[in-house]
Amino acid sequence: KAGVTQTPRYLIKTRGQQVTLSCSPISGHRSVSWYQQTPGQGLQFLFEYFSETQRNKGNFPGRFSGRQFSNSRSEMNVSTLELGDSALYLCASSLSSGTGVYEQYFGPGTRLTVT
Amino acid sequence: AQSVAQPEDQVNVAEGNPLTVKCTYSVSGNPYLFWYVQYPNRGLQFLLKYITGDNLVKGSYGFEAEFNKSQTSFHLKKPSALVSDSALYFCAVRDGGVSQGNLIFGKGTKLSVKP
Repeated sequence: KAGVTQTPRYLIKTRGQQVTLSCSPISGHRSVSWYQQTPGQGLQFLFEYFSETQRNKGNFPGRFSGRQFSNSRSEMNVSTLELGDSALYLCASSLSSGTGVYEQYFGPGTRLTVT
Repeated sequence: AQSVAQPEDQVNVAEGNPLTVKCTYSVSGNPYLFWYVQYPNRGLQFLLKYITGDNLVKGSYGFEAEFNKSQTSFHLKKPSALVSDSALYFCAVRDGGVSQGNLIFGKGTKLSVKP
């Protein structure tokens, strides 16, 4: 089974621009989550999507948004980029069925650099 | 609020020696705990999880973790360390509810295994 894929792997943007990152989950996984990883703040939860609906959201400004498509693929968008948005953005997918507790499987990440 | 603490920024062990990476948690309700490993320029790889049941959980690559409710700890262990185990290790707790995707991570512990 193919793992979680993220595109692009590396991205350089200028302050004020916007960016869209893409994530394809493992086949059969309906939950997709996004995390931001920085040296200073560590790993922080951005949001989770399930069946095209945002199910949970972390403490990030409204410039960060996402969506999920009917095939479970997800995109996240960051508008009006700031220098502090430079980070590794990780996507993770998991099964989500009933009340079970499932581990998440992570993609390799997209390294975003804002100049 | 849920939280996870990894008290050691770095752990150094010699190859062949046992290793322990420490994690303590604070949760309201049932603790759902995870360990992940991250190699340089890679995403996170799932090692193991605790949901309920046996306090000793076995995972991938020979790792295991011991859940201790009274000490609110979930330490990662391996009987004999390998140089290839050198990486960044993260403990995480799931933030309750039906959401599968909201993991709260510790700051990470860098494990260095010397030959």
